[in-house]
Amino acid sequence: SQQGEEDPQALSIQEGENATMNCSYKTSINNLQWYRQNSGRGLVHLILIRSNEREKHSGRLRVTLDTSKKSSSLLITASRAADTASYFCATHHSGNTPLVFGKGTRLSVIA
Amino acid sequence: EAQVTQNPRYLITVTGKKLTVTCSQNMNHEYMSWYRQDPGLGLRQIYYSMNVEVTDKGDVPEGYKVSRKEKRNFPLILESPSPNQTSLYFCASSFVGGGYNEQFFGPGTRLTVL
Repeated sequence: SQQGEEDPQALSIQEGENATMNCSYKTSINNLQWYRQNSGRGLVHLILIRSNEREKHSGRLRVTLDTSKKSSSLLITASRAADTASYFCATHHSGNTPLVFGKGTRLSVIA
Repeated sequence: EAQVTQNPRYLITVTGKKLTVTCSQNMNHEYMSWYRQDPGLGLRQIYYSMNVEVTDKGDVPEGYKVSRKEKRNFPLILESPSPNQTSLYFCASSFVGGGYNEQFFGPGTRLTVL
């Protein structure tokens, strides 16, 4: 399966701390995307990083990509209670193949 | 407002009673897709459409049908629903096909088949 795997499955931190989530995949990619899902709601796109990029930032989010290790990480700095959600990585492997989503990391930020 | 809409948001039905979940996007996106989300299994793609009149099976197409007669609409049809189709369903769209771009997701439809 090409499905990415997030690690850890669940993470609980205090407000103000940083949260790091990892994603590993098995075959080469065109891009890797991170999405957030609040409980039972639709996914919201956070960041897209292409295979020739190593790092991208968006506000308090930082995404890194290591294609040699086939892995990516999402760092949320200075977390807030509102960051509580599930975070999914999704990989695009080639051509018109669809995005393949991992099973997600459940992040709980405790105020 | 750019968005993907789905209806209904919640549906309880009985085995064998045909139903349709509608999906519409107002962003002129070529690509549309249906996913189901189940605990422990993540998001799995049911069907997708690269453009009008072009549809293809995803990972779990059994028991579902779709059509793409207009660019903005991509309904999901369950001809004879069964309890194993109880799930949370999402429609998504993107500017072009595959995973080249970010996908925009609808709010979800929670379906229960008794």
